[in-house]
Parts: sequence; structure tokens; C-alpha cells
Amino acid sequence: AQTVTQSQPEMSVQEAETVTLSCTYDTSESDYYLFWYKQPPSRQMILVIRQEAYKQQNATENRFSVNFQKAAKSFSLKISDSQLGDAAMYFCAYRSANYGQNFVFGPGTRLSVLP
Amino acid sequence: NAGVMQNPRHLVRRRGQEARLRCSPMKGHSHVYWYRQLPEEGLKFMVYLQKENIIDESGMPKERFSAEFPKEGPSILRIQQVVRGDSAAYFCASSTGQGVFHYGYTFGSGTRLTVV
Repeated sequence: AQTVTQSQPEMSVQEAETVTLSCTYDTSESDYYLFWYKQPPSRQMILVIRQEAYKQQNATENRFSVNFQKAAKSFSLKISDSQLGDAAMYFCAYRSANYGQNFVFGPGTRLSVLP
Repeated sequence: NAGVMQNPRHLVRRRGQEARLRCSPMKGHSHVYWYRQLPEEGLKFMVYLQKENIIDESGMPKERFSAEFPKEGPSILRIQQVVRGDSAAYFCASSTGQGVFHYGYTFGSGTRLTVV
């Protein structure tokens, strides 16, 4: 079974600075997708960024980018120019490309942004 | 497009009562997924349904929990004889379910169930 680990329960960053959230996963599959979701206090799950495992190029979405290391099974999220609105829980998630369609989520990292 | 609608947003039940959580998928979505989030934890998959069919219920507790997605109307997650350990946020997500070309789906805002 696949597992997702986020080793940082809490992180903080100064406004306008850069922060990196860590995620590692375990799988025996070669074809899969990885995601970062943001959950603000409203509880809404918001897709931040996604990566296809077969693509070597790291995904970027405006201030958000990932460092995908397939061999190391690592998928970290970098937030540049942090804003107060970035404060939230961040969940890393894995989804198989071949077997079923459910996500496996990590335990989350709570990000605080300091003014 | 109203997105995935879950209701109620908050639900309080006494131990032993039944809880019914509703999920209306996005327009055009025929696949529904339920997840449970315990306090300070990530979401855990419970069940995956298509219209009138349960596709994968591997994450569903064997007793007291059931789910349906009828031909008409919302998907329902039913918890019978609730216990304090059922207190959690329950999320629904929906998708078009189109294989490897669809790798994300839309979540609702969740129902927070509190058992007192």
C-alpha cells in the first residue's frame, strides 16, 4: 500500500520570504500523480499544484513550485514571496494512475505566515 | 456551477443516534468519493461510488457505516449508532472519472460531525 509522509507538523515563514514543505512517499508503482492541497480554516480543500510522475520537469504555478525527485520518492513544495493568505494546512497527496482513483494523503503541515 | 455541495456543514448527534451526510456532486460529475478527516490528521479514503454502484469501499468501516449514490438525488453517507470516535470532518469529492487523463477532483467544504 502507498504511504505519504510529511515530517514537518508545523512551519513558519516571514511574509515575502520563501518556505519549503517536505513530502516523501512510498510506492512500488511507476505511474502515478502527486499533489499539494491547501486547507485554510474554512476547511475547503484547494488544489495548489500537481505533478505527473512520468514528467521530469518540475511543475510550477505562479509562486508555487515543486522539487520532484522520483528516485528519492520526494515531492517538496516551495512557496515564494509568502503572503498572509498562504497560512493554512498543506497536504501532500498521492494518486495511482492505474489502480483505483482515490487519494492517499499525508498528515499535513501547518504553515504560519508572520507579518 | 455551484461546485460540490455538502450539507449540513455542522452536525451534532448524541451517542447512539444516526447521522446522515449529503453530497451533491458538481454538474456533469458522476463519480463521488467520501473521505474522513480526524482532528489534526490528513484525509482518509472511505468509499468511491458511481451512480447506483459502489466501486470501492475498502476504506469504509465494516459496521455502522454505509453509502449510496442513487440515480436521482445526492450521495448519502450514513452512520448508524454514532460513537464519540466518529467525530470528524467528512469530505465529499466528485469527478468525471475519466481515467488517467483526469487526475484531480473537486472537494466539497465538508461536514463536521460532533458526537456528544
